[in-house]
Amino acid sequence: NAGVTQTPKFRVLKTGQSMTLLCAQDMNHEYMYWYRQDPGMGLRLIHYSVGEGTTAKGEVPDGYNVSRLKKQNFLLGLESAAPSQTSVYFCASRISLNTEAFFGQGTRLTVV
Amino acid sequence: GQSLEQPSEVTAVEGAIVQINCTYQTSGFYGLSWYQQHDGGAPTFLSYNGLDGLEETGRFSSFLSRSDSYGYLLLQELQMKDSASYFCAVQTGANNLFFGTGTRLTVIP
Repeated sequence: NAGVTQTPKFRVLKTGQSMTLLCAQDMNHEYMYWYRQDPGMGLRLIHYSVGEGTTAKGEVPDGYNVSRLKKQNFLLGLESAAPSQTSVYFCASRISLNTEAFFGQGTRLTVV
Repeated sequence: GQSLEQPSEVTAVEGAIVQINCTYQTSGFYGLSWYQQHDGGAPTFLSYNGLDGLEETGRFSSFLSRSDSYGYLLLQELQMKDSASYFCAVQTGANNLFFGTGTRLTVIP
């Protein structure tokens, strides 16, 4: 039972570099989410998807792009990383609304 | 938009009962969830309230009053392992899930 798997777990980027974070779930969930967590800020929603081929903006989408080409994968891209994007990123998925969301173990990203 | 308010910190004694409140303002509301997160870990689901009233799961209970835009999480028979951050989260009509800023619970002997 892999559940929700995030890759990578840690990464250090230089300002201006790009990278993609991968979230994979093996539970056939429709809904997938990307959050960032900063000290004292809780979990803030970046983007989300309600099914394969669909994406939508959350609270803090600027500087990020996402894609959901396959139902099991939700990718988060940073085109030009900035120090303000230093954070812990969590992916979550759930089968439907009003059900439990399952989280990945997080990706700790530092932009220097 | 939406906003959720919960206390930033709570301290309680092992074996005691603690209540963590959450008030919310949202454009569209479908339900309130609670999640637990230990330091360095991922959030894990505790409970969900879609209707008014109390939901009980073992030592944890959660309550919702839709008319008051208010809910709480009640932890009974506190154990040291309950020291963690607790987040309320609202399900809005736009298919997304918004979290509060979290309450850090410290259980002391």
